[in-house]
Amino acid sequence: DIQMTQSPSTLSASVGDRVTITCRASQSINSWLAWYQQKPGKAPKVLICKASSLESGVPSRFSGSGSGTEFTLTISSLQPDDFATYYCQQYDSSPYTFGQGTKLEIK
Amino acid sequence: EVQLVESGGGLAEPGGSLRLSCAASGFTFSNAWMNWVRQAPGKGLEWVGRIKSKTDGGTTDYAAPVKARFIISRDDSRKTVWLQMDSLKTEDTGVYYCASHYTSWHWGQGTLVTVSS
Repeated sequence: DIQMTQSPSTLSASVGDRVTITCRASQSINSWLAWYQQKPGKAPKVLICKASSLESGVPSRFSGSGSGTEFTLTISSLQPDDFATYYCQQYDSSPYTFGQGTKLEIK
Repeated sequence: EVQLVESGGGLAEPGGSLRLSCAASGFTFSNAWMNWVRQAPGKGLEWVGRIKSKTDGGTTDYAAPVKARFIISRDDSRKTVWLQMDSLKTEDTGVYYCASHYTSWHWGQGTLVTVSS
């Protein structure tokens, strides 16, 4: 199975900050990676598919990059609505696997 | 607009069964690979399994913890996918999400499954 390692597990930041979350795969997943945002009690919201393709309606301050085994999610200027938990997911091969999550907290 | 609506969650005893449904609309269901993902209380996301589109073989894959206990099926004419869960364990407790994948991913709002005596 492909292991997905996300870092950091927790990130404290302020409104207006630029933040980056990293996701590493234990083997190459090409660009078959999605990023999600989840708020308490809500379903995950898809932000990015295929490593860098922004989903419709997602603000442009979110961006994704990477291929192979190393990927990043960047938020260019944090907004109050962005404080949430973020997950990466590989869908290159079954079983699809998720990172353990990054909780983005207000500093 | 893509919509996925899960139903069928509830309380089951250990060793019991539940059948979850996911009704889809707003996209070409027959083209999509349909997935189930779960989230135990206070934990992260865990992929449960997937059924491919009929044109891609219609085969299923499952995560190790549920293999041989859970079965995913689909009916393209009804735009519905099901998750049959047998031999339930307390560790199967959580919110179960239906997720479609074709060119992008879409998720439902989830249904809560509680396995307890």
